[in-house]
Amino acid sequence: GQSLEQPSEVTAVEGAIVQINCTYQTSGFYGLSWYQQHDGGAPTFLSYNALDGLEETGRFSSFLSRSDSYGYLLLQELQMKDSASYFCAVRYVRGSSASKIIFGSGTRLSIRP
Amino acid sequence: DAGVIQSPRHEVTEMGQEVTLRCKPISGHDYLFWYRQTMMRGLELLIYFNNNVPIDDSGMPEDRFSAKMPNASFSTLKIQPSEPRDSAVYFCASRPGGASGITGELFFGEGSRLTVL
Repeated sequence: GQSLEQPSEVTAVEGAIVQINCTYQTSGFYGLSWYQQHDGGAPTFLSYNALDGLEETGRFSSFLSRSDSYGYLLLQELQMKDSASYFCAVRYVRGSSASKIIFGSGTRLSIRP
Repeated sequence: DAGVIQSPRHEVTEMGQEVTLRCKPISGHDYLFWYRQTMMRGLELLIYFNNNVPIDDSGMPEDRFSAKMPNASFSTLKIQPSEPRDSAVYFCASRPGGASGITGELFFGEGSRLTVL
């Protein structure tokens, strides 16, 4: 089956840098995404990695190593508004079906002033 | 362009009642997904459609759950009869196909919070 693992909680200080790791086990791997969800809100897309390496989008960066089945989300210059849950999500393909996306259990990021 | 629209936003019902959740995907999106979110189980994929056709319903928990997509702009998720353990937030999401959907980015609605007493 498919599985993803990420830490349940992370705490960091405003202005600092934090890394949220994700390991996955899946066949038919296609890519790794990251989503942010504020309490009471909907998940919103942050980034996508299909190839090994680092993708940077403003203060957020995402990394993928396909050989290690591992990725991370890096958040820099943390702001209080970054307090949210962050989900890694694996996109995979089975047979001739279109790709599916399954989510990890989420990492709750708390930021202290 | 309006995002994914779900209704109702909140639903409180009694065990045994029928519940119907509705979703309007973003115009032009070929794929529609139904997810359920709970504290215990996280975000679970229930079913997804491609061009209105159900592709994979392996995540639908029981026969009490059914989903339809009669046209490209409307989908329903029905629970009959409902049970307290069905209490969750149900999200609908859509995404484009082809080159526009190369990242697989999902666009989520605001969710329907269901409470079954």
